[in-house]
Amino acid sequence: GDSVTQMEGPVTLSEEAFLTINCTYTATGYPSLFWYVQYPGEGLQLLLKATKADDKGSNKGFEATYRKETTSFHLEKGSVQVSDSAVYFCALTIIQGAQKLVFGQGTRLTINP
Amino acid sequence: KAGVTQTPRYLIKTRGQQVTLSCSPISGHRSVSWYQQTPGQGLQFLFEYFSETQRNKGNFPGRFSGRQFSNSRSEMNVSTLELGDSALYLCASSLVPPGSGKPNEQFFGPGTRLTVL
Repeated sequence: GDSVTQMEGPVTLSEEAFLTINCTYTATGYPSLFWYVQYPGEGLQLLLKATKADDKGSNKGFEATYRKETTSFHLEKGSVQVSDSAVYFCALTIIQGAQKLVFGQGTRLTINP
Repeated sequence: KAGVTQTPRYLIKTRGQQVTLSCSPISGHRSVSWYQQTPGQGLQFLFEYFSETQRNKGNFPGRFSGRQFSNSRSEMNVSTLELGDSALYLCASSLVPPGSGKPNEQFFGPGTRLTVL
């Protein structure tokens, strides 16, 4: 079946550090890939997306590239801020079928000043 | 444009009771999906509705049910509550209908936190 695997958390970094959160997937079809962010006490917000191989999604300084050959969609940011502290979820949806999202387990990120 | 709204935000019930949660999608969105979020199982898909019809269902027991109204508002119901049903229930809406072949973007509400005692 379809699944998403994220790097284990929690991740703690200092402000202005470089961030990478790994995400790999298995999918029976050709998925679209997403990163969602969840701030404390809130629902999920779409951070970025990519719909085909080699697409790069970007938003708020975050980037992720759809790598079909390695079935990966790693999230990166060059210089993190305290306000980036949240839980990050990698997710996929298979275009051809019903558009339910399959999520990874989430990675809790804490940025210290 | 108003986002996805969910009511109530918090709910406390006891085992054996039933509960109904409500979701109002973004105006113009006709696709509504429900997810359960727990610390142990993470985010799991419950079901998806479009045009008042359930289009897809996750792997949950029949105690979990839902429906969608003609104005696209959706409700989910859980009967005979169990302790393990304690979770954050998230609703998401989308402009893209299921099975359209187009990439989907789902917008999430803040969730309803259900506690079963």
